[in-house]
Amino acid sequence: EADIYQTPRYLVIGTGKKITLECSQTMGHDKMYWYQQDPGMELHLIHYSYGVNSTEKGDLSSESTVSRIRTEHFPLTLESARPSHTSQYLCASSEIGETGGYRNTIYFGEGSWLTVV
Amino acid sequence: RKEVEQDPGPFNVPEGATVAFNCTYSNSASQSFFWYRQDCRKEPKLLMSVYSSGNEDGRFTAQLNRASQYISLLIRDSKLSDSATYLCVVKAYNQGGKLIFGQGTELSVKP
Repeated sequence: EADIYQTPRYLVIGTGKKITLECSQTMGHDKMYWYQQDPGMELHLIHYSYGVNSTEKGDLSSESTVSRIRTEHFPLTLESARPSHTSQYLCASSEIGETGGYRNTIYFGEGSWLTVV
Repeated sequence: RKEVEQDPGPFNVPEGATVAFNCTYSNSASQSFFWYRQDCRKEPKLLMSVYSSGNEDGRFTAQLNRASQYISLLIRDSKLSDSATYLCVVKAYNQGGKLIFGQGTELSVKP
């Protein structure tokens, strides 16, 4: 089992509220990711990080922001939640290294289901 | 055109059937290939890596054809518990090792 944890698992929040989705991994992985996935739809990469103080935007534009102050921690923040932000957010991690081949399997947390009303 | 494309689903099959999933990728620099399984409202989990010579894990067989840029997953003697969405995943080193996920193919195994 992968040692990557997300909290909260489920959150219902009002429009305009600020929220932070927490993600922690204990595998010592340098590379971490946030994906967004609507039910029955494909995964979209919204943010990733190569290591401490590194953050990059993914393929899908997102109003969320991320930070990477510690290797094991990669929180995602929405300053002002809107109903359009309702989705599942999946955090993931992998070992760094573009030439790592099959060692660079990605491991996912259980996801955070966000509903903005 | 999407970088990784899979058969559109869903596949509805009876228990015991053999089912094959296909996946094509557009980036010829792709180097690593995987199949992930995602249960309803759960996170994706690695099912198996796909090696150049093809590989088998119990009832599951994965094949790779680099010339055609094509990956397949074969499930033999399907079980009810195989019902899930199967995701084809490709890693291309000319894109910083980024993992590209296909849209997934849903499988429903019926008794």
